[in-house]
Amino acid sequence: SNELTQPPSVSVSPGQTVTITCSADKLGETYVFWYQKKSGQAPVLLIYQDVKRPSGIPERFSGSNSGNTATLTISGTQIMDEADYYCQVWDTNIHVVFGGGTKLTVL
Amino acid sequence: QITLKESGPTLLKPTQTLTLTCTFSGFSLTTTGVGVGWIRQPPGKALEWLALIYWDDDKQYSPYLKTRLTITKDTSKNRVVLTMTNMDPVDTATYYCAHRLPTREFDSWGQGALVTVSS
Repeated sequence: SNELTQPPSVSVSPGQTVTITCSADKLGETYVFWYQKKSGQAPVLLIYQDVKRPSGIPERFSGSNSGNTATLTISGTQIMDEADYYCQVWDTNIHVVFGGGTKLTVL
Repeated sequence: QITLKESGPTLLKPTQTLTLTCTFSGFSLTTTGVGVGWIRQPPGKALEWLALIYWDDDKQYSPYLKTRLTITKDTSKNRVVLTMTNMDPVDTATYYCAHRLPTREFDSWGQGALVTVSS
């Protein structure tokens, strides 16, 4: 089964690019989903099937997945992007697995 | 437009049973591939998946909580109900229901329901 490892926190300056990683053995062999979670709000789907963006999600959010690591990239980060970010996969045994989350600070 | 809303008690005592209802609109739980899941987030902690029910009444549960969970649906009323037995203070969390597309993502979420377990 997949245990997803994310860095607890990352920081970025406004306008810069930041990457958030999600790691697990052979992660590249399965689809990864990314969610944004702001305090007091419901999670929002950012990326599905590794690289696809739902309608309404800004182009500055992108995803990739290869080998043992999936990456969420935010280009031209805005202050409004400050949030927690979670990766998620479907696992044969546990079914739905979320990563531990990464707190993004924009400063 | 898909909407989901969780409802249920806000405060429970230890050992009591939690019953949460997810009332939804904008989709049918009879559509092939569609599901509704429950996910929770304890204060200051990560998202944790609990259970999922599919259009064909197939059900999946977190193996860590399986003995305590039951998920059911009422397609005529557009509702999904989650019960969790033997509640404990560690179960204090915001509980979310979410719409699962056939392509497997949770694309729409309810606003969440905060459940506190305390004696």
